[in-house]
Amino acid sequence: AQSVTQLDSQVPVFEEAPVELRCNYSSSVSVYLFWYVQYPNQGLQLLLKYLSGSTLVKGINGFEAEFNKSQTSFHLRKPSVHISDTAEYFCAVRGGGYQKVTFGIGTKLQVIP
Amino acid sequence: NAGVTQTPKFRVLKTGQSMTLLCAQDMNHEYMYWYRQDPGMGLRLIHYSVGEGTTAKGEVPDGYNVSRLKKQNFLLGLESAAPSQTSVYFCASSYPTGSQPQHFGDGTRLSIL
Repeated sequence: AQSVTQLDSQVPVFEEAPVELRCNYSSSVSVYLFWYVQYPNQGLQLLLKYLSGSTLVKGINGFEAEFNKSQTSFHLRKPSVHISDTAEYFCAVRGGGYQKVTFGIGTKLQVIP
Repeated sequence: NAGVTQTPKFRVLKTGQSMTLLCAQDMNHEYMYWYRQDPGMGLRLIHYSVGEGTTAKGEVPDGYNVSRLKKQNFLLGLESAAPSQTSVYFCASSYPTGSQPQHFGDGTRLSIL
């Protein structure tokens, strides 16, 4: 079984400030990790993914995430946020038979002008 | 390049009515999924399919049926709609390997009165 915990349901941050959205996972097998973004009234879009190799993964729109195996975490970061980053962000894990993907409940990022 | 297309985008039903949501993908993906998204609950898997002619139950399958008669289409049916099925429904598809992300449609907003 696998699970994903997103520790913050909402994160307000001022424009141009840094942000970190936290994600912890559990799994009995090796997994692949993903971050998706959902803008209002749209579907989810892939931000970045961790497959193997370097633990620091860079994605689109200036986001990056760091995989920490010992802490089973995959936190998402951006050094300077923009108003257009206001959206909901989902952490997801895919493992085992690969048929199923487990999503966190999402973190709403609100960028304040 | 359409990706994943969901129809309809919006629908209002009365309790007890039936309807079918259609998902079509043009990426030749083997796997297809139906999720529902409710506030504070993230994405919950309803049913999924690993290939043409095969379907399987997800976390919350009760009250829903699915069919995958063609590889590119995945239909979600509500036989007798209930107010608890008011939600936003997302279809997704992917290749059958763990490293590949899912591609999502823009959702169907369904209200059951």
